[in-house]
Amino acid sequence: DARVTQTPRHKVTEMGQEVTMRCQPILGHNTVFWYRQTMMQGLELLAYFRNRAPLDDSGMPKDRFSAEMPDATLATLKIQPSEPRDSAVYFCASGLADYEQYFGPGTRLTVT
Amino acid sequence: AQSVTQLGSHVSVSEGALVLLRCNYSSSVPPYLFWYVQYPNQGLQLLLKYTSAATLVKGINGFEAEFKKSETSFHLTKPSAHMSDAAEYFCAVRNSGYSTLTFGKGTMLLVSP
Repeated sequence: DARVTQTPRHKVTEMGQEVTMRCQPILGHNTVFWYRQTMMQGLELLAYFRNRAPLDDSGMPKDRFSAEMPDATLATLKIQPSEPRDSAVYFCASGLADYEQYFGPGTRLTVT
Repeated sequence: AQSVTQLGSHVSVSEGALVLLRCNYSSSVPPYLFWYVQYPNQGLQLLLKYTSAATLVKGINGFEAEFKKSETSFHLTKPSAHMSDAAEYFCAVRNSGYSTLTFGKGTMLLVSP
């Protein structure tokens, strides 16, 4: 049963620290998405990649967030420096072409 | 631009009762529509999808949805609710020209014994 995996599942950090979240997409999927979910804003698309190339990262705060795909099996989302307002659940999803997306279990980030 | 409106942030039903979760969409092109379910502390799981084939779409766990172009709706139904259906449900529409989805705000389904 192929699944998207995300690490860590939970992260508590202090304001100003760097946070790196990792995602392993389903093997063979060529599109990877990063979302953020909060009670206030719901699900927000932060960035997405097709064949490892970034297609859109307009949803990310550029000054502190960065997303990369070092290879086809790894996507990373980095926050530096982190702020309390970044506390949220971050989801990675992968898909094939233009159809459904398959979500990972998420990383719950708490910034104190 | 595509958009999705889910009517009702919370819906309560009794076990065994009909489940109806409402979704209306706005799309400038023939839409691709999706329903996802999110159980507590989990990611979103695809329930079903409409991709311009049959207007009545059957999904997992006994759910189905009907695409009605005239009403721009894609409501989710299940004839008989189970306690295990308690979760948050998201309707989504594919954005034209891209791979991305626009999600609704979600509807929390509460099932009482």
